[in-house]
Amino acid sequence: DTGVSQNPRHKITKRGQNVTFRCDPISEHNRLYWYRQTLGQGPEFLTYFQNEAQLEKSRLLSDRFSAERPKGSFSTLEIQRTEQGDSAMYLCASIGSGTGGVGYTFGSGTRLTVV
Amino acid sequence: GENVEQHPSTLSVQEGDSAVIKCTYSDSASNYFPWYKQELGKGPQLIIDIRSNVGEKKDQRIAVTLNKTAKHFSLHITETQPEDSAVYFCAASNSGGGADGLTFGKGTHLIIQP
Repeated sequence: DTGVSQNPRHKITKRGQNVTFRCDPISEHNRLYWYRQTLGQGPEFLTYFQNEAQLEKSRLLSDRFSAERPKGSFSTLEIQRTEQGDSAMYLCASIGSGTGGVGYTFGSGTRLTVV
Repeated sequence: GENVEQHPSTLSVQEGDSAVIKCTYSDSASNYFPWYKQELGKGPQLIIDIRSNVGEKKDQRIAVTLNKTAKHFSLHITETQPEDSAVYFCAASNSGGGADGLTFGKGTHLIIQP
């Protein structure tokens, strides 16, 4: 495992449907982040896990969003009752502890289109 | 919270010339400043980073400078090549990889003219 893997790469869904994305971080990385990136913008922080514990959530993460990392390995991000404003690239990043915060590795993202 | 401003939004340079992208940050507690390159349809890729205890760092054609007093940092790419064309993002972190992660600028679309 040499990188962060995200699935699916693309997802088109109808408004009101639920969607779930998966992130598999680098195996030795205990910290996992979700970011959202809209067109022409930089990634924006959504939430952060250290092992299986979700330690921080952005105010961008509405009640329709939920993230889990049940065994401290892969993570899922679910969006319920999707809205057109949810259309974006959802990026996952991981980093190991003891790095002093150096060297986040991003996955290729899941592009969500809500129609 | 942290706010990162990035300029310019678009930069077009002739192949072989140098490119400079500038960022400012607001939180004096920020101590880590990475630069990412993002190609179409891909996630951001780390190209170089700098810690607050260092003023300059160089890796082949890429260099980053940091001015803590003025709270700004810059990316310098020399001898630009067509494969340097991409969107570049600066970022800042004040939590050492902890809760808040990275705050990104809005990106610079670098275009290398042949």
